[in-house]
Order: sequence, then C-alpha cells, then structure tokens
Amino acid sequence: GQQVMQIPQYQHVQEGEDFTTYCNSSTTLSNIQWYKQRPGGHPVFLIQLVKSGEVKKQKRLTFQFGEAKKNSSLHITATQTTDVGTYFCAGPDYGGSQGNLIFGKGTKLSVKP
Amino acid sequence: ETGVTQTPRHLVMGMTNKKSLKCEQHLGHNAMYWYKQSAKKPLELMFVYSLEERVENNSVPSRFSPECPNSSHLFLHLHTLQPEDSALYLCASSQVYIYNSPLHFGNGTRLTVT
Repeated sequence: GQQVMQIPQYQHVQEGEDFTTYCNSSTTLSNIQWYKQRPGGHPVFLIQLVKSGEVKKQKRLTFQFGEAKKNSSLHITATQTTDVGTYFCAGPDYGGSQGNLIFGKGTKLSVKP
Repeated sequence: ETGVTQTPRHLVMGMTNKKSLKCEQHLGHNAMYWYKQSAKKPLELMFVYSLEERVENNSVPSRFSPECPNSSHLFLHLHTLQPEDSALYLCASSQVYIYNSPLHFGNGTRLTVT
C-alpha cells in the first residue's frame, strides 16, 4: 500500500548546528504537508508544497519538494532550543476519502544548548 | 490555538469502564477526524466524518464508537478497552473540497487503560 517514510527517526544536534529531515513517498504526490509537534503538544501545520521542485522558506526553515514529487525535505539552519519537537511530513491518501492524509513516522529533533 | 478543543486532556480508565472523548471545532470546517498516536507508530487515522457523514473507518475495533451530531462536534465513545489502546487520541478538522486544506489538530486526550 501507499507509504510515506521519513529519515532519520531521531536527530540530536548542538544548538547552532543545522538539521535536515527527509521524506519519501512510494507514490507521486499532488502535494506534501509538514507539521511540527512540540513535546507534550499536538501537530501544528507548518507548510504545504504543491509544485514540482518548489522551495519555500520560513525564517530559518527551508522546505523542498522534489522534481518527481515523491520526496521532500525540511532543513533548519542554525537550530535553536525552540526547534525541539517532532517533524512530520504527510501526503494525500489516494486509497482513502478526499482530505485524508498519510503521515510519516516523524523525525524527533533534540537540541542541546 | 483554540480552533479545535478536546476534553478531557487526560483520562485513566479500567478495561470495564465506558467513557467518551469530546471534540469541538470553531473553524467552520466540514470534516472532522479521530487519530491515534502511540509510541513508535505514525499517526493512525481512525475515523473520518465529512459533512457529518462517516466516510471512512479504518478497520477500527468496535470498542471505539464515533459520533458526529453536527459539523462542529465529534465524540469517541470508549468501552471495554485494552491496555494496548493507551495512546494520545487526537481530533482534527479540515475543510474538504478546498484543495490542499491542512489539518487543524486539538490538544489531544492522553488515555491510559489500566
């Protein structure tokens, strides 16, 4: 069945270092969404990418959508302790009803001050 | 963010108890969802209601019973749960029929089954 895979599962960095998480889909996606979940919190929508090769930036966060629309990445420059949390990518579930998403397992980021 | 409100935040119940989780969204969305989040597993979609009709049930055990009385409210009725059902239960809403509408999650209910 359709799968969305994320690597790495965990990442520990020193504050100020960069961080990247990668998302790969078994199928071509019409769009991909990214969410962040702080410890003890709930997933919060960050961004959506739609176009092949699209790159979007939010301050220190850079999101990319691959040319084949099967992979995506989130890069954080100069991490801060406020970046701690789990980052999820999600793509449309083509086997389900409209609006359903398939989530990756997430990458848990810890930042050492 | 108070767009999606879930109660209670924490719940401890025995395997013979009956309890209900409540979700309310104030965003004017037309679809609501129940997700289960447990350790080492991705977010698992349990139920989807679109325009107040259940459109998807991802083979969830019958000990979980959803109810959606209107587009703003969603319940999850629980009975005779198992310890492996202990998890974070998240409610979410979205506006389907709008392309690429993201999910808005509530704070979740942390459920412990003893």
